[in-house]
Amino acid sequence: GDSVTQMEGPVTLSEEAFLTINCTYTATGYPSLFWYVQYPGEGLQLLLKATKADDKGSNKGFEATYRKETTSFHLEKGSVQVSDSAVYFCALSDHTNTDKIIFGTGTRLQVFP
Amino acid sequence: AAGVIQSPRHLIKEKRETATLKCYPIPRHDTVYWYQQGPGQDPQFLISFYEKMQSDKGSIPDRFSAQQFSDYHSELNMSSLELGDSALYFCASSLGMGNQETQYFGPGTRLLVL
Repeated sequence: GDSVTQMEGPVTLSEEAFLTINCTYTATGYPSLFWYVQYPGEGLQLLLKATKADDKGSNKGFEATYRKETTSFHLEKGSVQVSDSAVYFCALSDHTNTDKIIFGTGTRLQVFP
Repeated sequence: AAGVIQSPRHLIKEKRETATLKCYPIPRHDTVYWYQQGPGQDPQFLISFYEKMQSDKGSIPDRFSAQQFSDYHSELNMSSLELGDSALYFCASSLGMGNQETQYFGPGTRLLVL
């Protein structure tokens, strides 16, 4: 079945460092890919998405490119801030029957001043 | 803009009790999804409804049932609660199904079973 694999955390960075969180997926068909962010004690917020190969999703300085050849959707940000500390979930939806979302296990990012 | 509303936000129950969680989708959204997120885990899909009909079913225990009403709000009914049911329950809504529409998540209901 469909699945998402993302790097384990926590990822610990200093402010203004470069961030990469790796994500790969397995899916039939052509899924949509997402990054969701969950701040401490809060719900899930859609950070960015891409719906077809070579699409680049971007938001708040974060970006990820849908790479069909490597089945990847790595999240990057050039300069992280303390306020970016959260758990980041890579996810997909394959739209075959419904749009249910399959999440990866989440990666906790901790940014220190 | 209006968002997905979930109630209650927090709920404490004893083992073997019942609980009802409510979800009010964004106006005009006709599709509702329920997810369960255990402590330190990723959200898992439970069940979804489109136009008041069940559209998909995931890892939802037989002790749980859900429905979508004529005004598109949805309720998740949980009976014979177990300690392992303690989790954050998310509802998400979207417009239509199978058309790559974005799902918008509510803030979640945090259920604690003692």
